[in-house]
Amino acid sequence: DVKVTQSSRYLVKRTGEKVFLECVQDMDHENMFWYRQDPGLGLRLIYFSYDVKMKEKGDIPEGYSVSREKKERFSLILESASTNQTSMYLCASSTSGTGGYEQYFGPGTRLTVT
Amino acid sequence: DQQVKQNSPSLSVQEGRISILNCDYTNSMFDYFLWYKKYPAEGPTFLISISSIKDKNEDGRFTVFLNKSAKHLSLHIVPSQPGDSAVYFCAASAWGASKLTFGTGTRLQVTL
Repeated sequence: DVKVTQSSRYLVKRTGEKVFLECVQDMDHENMFWYRQDPGLGLRLIYFSYDVKMKEKGDIPEGYSVSREKKERFSLILESASTNQTSMYLCASSTSGTGGYEQYFGPGTRLTVT
Repeated sequence: DQQVKQNSPSLSVQEGRISILNCDYTNSMFDYFLWYKKYPAEGPTFLISISSIKDKNEDGRFTVFLNKSAKHLSLHIVPSQPGDSAVYFCAASAWGASKLTFGTGTRLQVTL
């Protein structure tokens, strides 16, 4: 079974703090993704990575950065947390090649910025 | 611009009846479609998928139908069970593409 783990289930941070969210997958997947989920807005892609040290912006990258130094690990960084970044953050991974591929999700991190 | 739309935010169905969740898309490049189920405080789990070469795919109680000309897909759950109560997301991608575009979700409540 694919396993995607996230470093924290719940996190509370103050405005202006630097926040690190970590994600690890154990299936040797090439692709990794960070989403945020907000009520009525569905899942919105923040960043994704298709290889080590490679990254691409998603639909809402502002205020975020990412790091992928090892294939199994993908980190999301909030440089200076703001209250509008309070959300559920979801990490996912998938294989790549030709065809259609499902993404496998971690359990999520509920981040509250006060 | 919402390329994948789930126009019903919520749906309530009696146990044992059929649940039908709908999804529309606008991007003609999409040819692979997926449904995910999400419980509160958990990550989404993959449910079923369909490629554009098919118009139907079944997996147990779950069937997905694709109408390419109408750019519409639907998920049928028969019979519905209380454990099916969750938020369901529709997603789409171009074939071979890594990115998925998600809809806004439909909350299904299966009542006794």
